[in-house]
Amino acid sequence: EAGVAQSPRYKIIEKRQSVAFWCNPISGHATLYWYQQILGQGPKLLIQFQNNGVVDDSQLPKDRFSAERLKGVDSTLKIQPAKLEDSAVYLCASRVGGWETQYFGPGTRLLVL
Amino acid sequence: SQQGEEDPQALSIQEGENATMNCSYKTSINNLQWYRQNSGRGLVHLILIRSNEREKHSGRLRVTLDTSKKSSSLLITASRAADTASYFCATAAPGAGSYQLTFGKGTKLSVIP
Repeated sequence: EAGVAQSPRYKIIEKRQSVAFWCNPISGHATLYWYQQILGQGPKLLIQFQNNGVVDDSQLPKDRFSAERLKGVDSTLKIQPAKLEDSAVYLCASRVGGWETQYFGPGTRLLVL
Repeated sequence: SQQGEEDPQALSIQEGENATMNCSYKTSINNLQWYRQNSGRGLVHLILIRSNEREKHSGRLRVTLDTSKKSSSLLITASRAADTASYFCATAAPGAGSYQLTFGKGTKLSVIP
């Protein structure tokens, strides 16, 4: 079974630029999560999707972050414009219905200069 | 905000020794999970313990949960160099929140060959 795929793996941008991350969850996993992990900390939930609907985006900085999951499969997370404090690893995770275990992708490491 | 707090922040042991990590949390939970993160990679689920359970085993892993003290511990027996990683506890709230995880800051384990 293929795992959660993310791309790109690394991205370096300058502040005020925009960036997008892509996630392909495990086949059949209806729930998808995006997390932000700042160096030295644990992952922090940004947004949770159930199929193509948003379940919780209360911790997503909506003035600069946006996310979508149009067909209930792949998802993209965008930052526009980026700030220095957005430097972090962005993790995507998915979960099959009825089970609490989340499966994580390798993450995208973002550096904002 | 981060629910779990792991202790110690860093742990260094010799191969073959046991490693114990602790996690404390603040609010009621449905379940508590432990994840491992190797450097530069995504998180891997290790074990889940529900609020009505006191102890679980999985291979060389033993997890305990004390809901009266709001704490959990992860014991890795007969450690190996490959166990070197960061370990995170994550809590899931009761009810509808049981499918969202709140992570601690993690314990960085180094196993010296």
